[in-house]
Amino acid sequence: DAGVIQSPRHEVTEMGQEVTLRCKPISGHDYLFWYRQTMMRGLELLIYFNNNVPIDDSGMPEDRFSAKMPNASFSTLKIQPSEPRDSAVYFCASSLRPQEGYTFGSGTRLTVV
Amino acid sequence: AQTVTQSQPEMSVQEAETVTLSCTYDTSENNYYLFWYKQPPSRQMILVIRQEAYKQQNATENRFSVNFQKAAKSFSLKISDSQLGDTAMYFCAFTAPDTGRRALTFGSGTRLQVQP
Repeated sequence: DAGVIQSPRHEVTEMGQEVTLRCKPISGHDYLFWYRQTMMRGLELLIYFNNNVPIDDSGMPEDRFSAKMPNASFSTLKIQPSEPRDSAVYFCASSLRPQEGYTFGSGTRLTVV
Repeated sequence: AQTVTQSQPEMSVQEAETVTLSCTYDTSENNYYLFWYKQPPSRQMILVIRQEAYKQQNATENRFSVNFQKAAKSFSLKISDSQLGDTAMYFCAFTAPDTGRRALTFGSGTRLQVQP
């Protein structure tokens, strides 16, 4: 298995632009999680899905952020419009049984200038 | 709400020695799971070890072991025979599935430097 695949690995964009981050979970994993990592706030849960349905989006910062999971093998996290304070590493993770832990992707480092 | 606290922002250890990283948590749940994740400079998050709260025996994975003190709500990670490749950020994490929330809550991390 190739693991959780995220793209792009790095993204640099200008303030105000739309950014789309992509994630392919491990086949068969029913849970998908999006986390954001910053120096100031550490690892924060943004949203998670179970069987493609959003379960908890309480961590999504504001209306500029949206996440979708149109099928079991693909999820996107979109920021529109982007702001410099959105600069962070965004991780996607998937799991069959969360109590056994997650498998993380390699993350997307987003820089908004 | 569940919280996870790592009180050591940075630690250093000599190669081949033993180091212990601290983690405390707060919960009213009886059924929960605790984890240690490693994040090397490559930024990949790697599961190191996992502990189930209802198991009294401390989990062990090769050179990594935990000291789980349920009454004290403490979950420390011991790394024996430290190697240069152990240099990384280490995150303690928690989940209590009976709350209905399946996401992990992470601590702020401890940066470990293994010195040659």
